Amino acid sequence: NAGVMQNPRHLVRRRGQEARLRCSPMKGHSHVYWYRQLPEEGLKFMVYLQKENIIDESGMPKERFSAEFPKEGPSILRIQQVVRGDSAAYFCASVQPPSSYNEQFFGPGTRLTVL
Amino acid sequence: DAKTTQPTSMDCAEGRAANLPCNHSTISGNEYVYWYRQIHSQGPQYIIHGLKNNETNEMASLIITEDRKSSTLILPHATLRDTAVYYCIVSSYNNNDMRFGAGTRLTVKP
Repeated sequence: NAGVMQNPRHLVRRRGQEARLRCSPMKGHSHVYWYRQLPEEGLKFMVYLQKENIIDESGMPKERFSAEFPKEGPSILRIQQVVRGDSAAYFCASVQPPSSYNEQFFGPGTRLTVL
Repeated sequence: DAKTTQPTSMDCAEGRAANLPCNHSTISGNEYVYWYRQIHSQGPQYIIHGLKNNETNEMASLIITEDRKSSTLILPHATLRDTAVYYCIVSSYNNNDMRFGAGTRLTVKP
């Protein structure tokens, strides 16, 4: 897990507010995944990005959720108009192809609580 | 459409080997078996992966049956710090969508 940074570690928002979650991948990694984990459940894939490009967003909800990974700076997962059902732990993972895409290095997660 | 089946929970005595089974009877020829674990409230940690041969690293061993329909993760000398949820995942080499199921909650007891 060393090297992948996520902030904030805990985020509290009221319904209707926006949540911004940040992920800095391991040094030298140019690809990141975002996952969501509801309480007592496994991780669910959301989106896979490389710098300046979304590769696969098939796991992203169609509304209110967006992700980006700019050329400079961290990857951002943005949730607009949050609802209570968005309360979860959000993990990012980084990987550097052409090594196995599935050897992912995870960050510590951001725990979002929507009041 | 879960690809893997794992027991919900297991216990293991400290210092003994922990053997975690996984069934993946619908695995296809180009899919690997991956194991990750998640210690409470932390991000998942990669353990090991394999295609058809048995694999070993500093953390664990992976035994895959000849027909590839099941596998076993072995922690040779479990410690209290190995208490975690262990996920068995089958996925093709470059698949973006790793399906984490519910996993097996391993509790190592003193």
